[in-house]
Amino acid sequence: KNEVEQSPQNLTAQEGEFITINCSYSVGISALHWLQQHPGGGIVSLFMLSSGKKKHGRLIATINIQEKHSSLHITASHPRDSAVYICAVLSTDSWGKLQFGAGTQVVVTP
Amino acid sequence: KAGVTQTPRYLIKTRGQQVTLSCSPISGHRSVSWYQQTPGQGLQFLFEYFSETQRNKGNFPGRFSGRQFSNSRSEMNVSTLELGDSALYLCASSLVGYNEQFFGPGTRLTVL
Repeated sequence: KNEVEQSPQNLTAQEGEFITINCSYSVGISALHWLQQHPGGGIVSLFMLSSGKKKHGRLIATINIQEKHSSLHITASHPRDSAVYICAVLSTDSWGKLQFGAGTQVVVTP
Repeated sequence: KAGVTQTPRYLIKTRGQQVTLSCSPISGHRSVSWYQQTPGQGLQFLFEYFSETQRNKGNFPGRFSGRQFSNSRSEMNVSTLELGDSALYLCASSLVGYNEQFFGPGTRLTVL
């Protein structure tokens, strides 16, 4: 069983809709990353969280350490948000080793 | 500040050959992590280097090896290539290994 689980696997939204992607993990972590990957493209780090909430433009990420759960929200979604979003955790005392969820494929239609 | 760079961007090799991939981290970053991405297995951790020392290693065979130089640049080597080694190889740098990681564009390796 994967130690990092994401849901949903796929998501289609209309432009302007609010999108939520969830991530649950079963290990102790020092930080959690949300990553974005466009088709054929490299990986971009959106957020690194160890507690609370972070906001960057239309993206909001939250984490609940006690419940071992994080969410990524996209407000007012736009077709350029279409990408794979990946949750990755940095386990406690695990130097430089990210463990990844399977990713969520997001498609935003005009 | 320049981002993480990887060379080459694309490689085609045949089974049995060996390959060396290079990663230059963001200036000031001393930790370099390597990952393999395949459609079947997703993203998997290969190893991490800090100050020329391998501190962490994933579950890959000994054909996969790496090293880090005094300027923090890192290389990974895959010997005796197999078809299943075809993948996108990504490196990521961070300040000391438990900070935010920044990814390079990757090297797309195709093994024929």
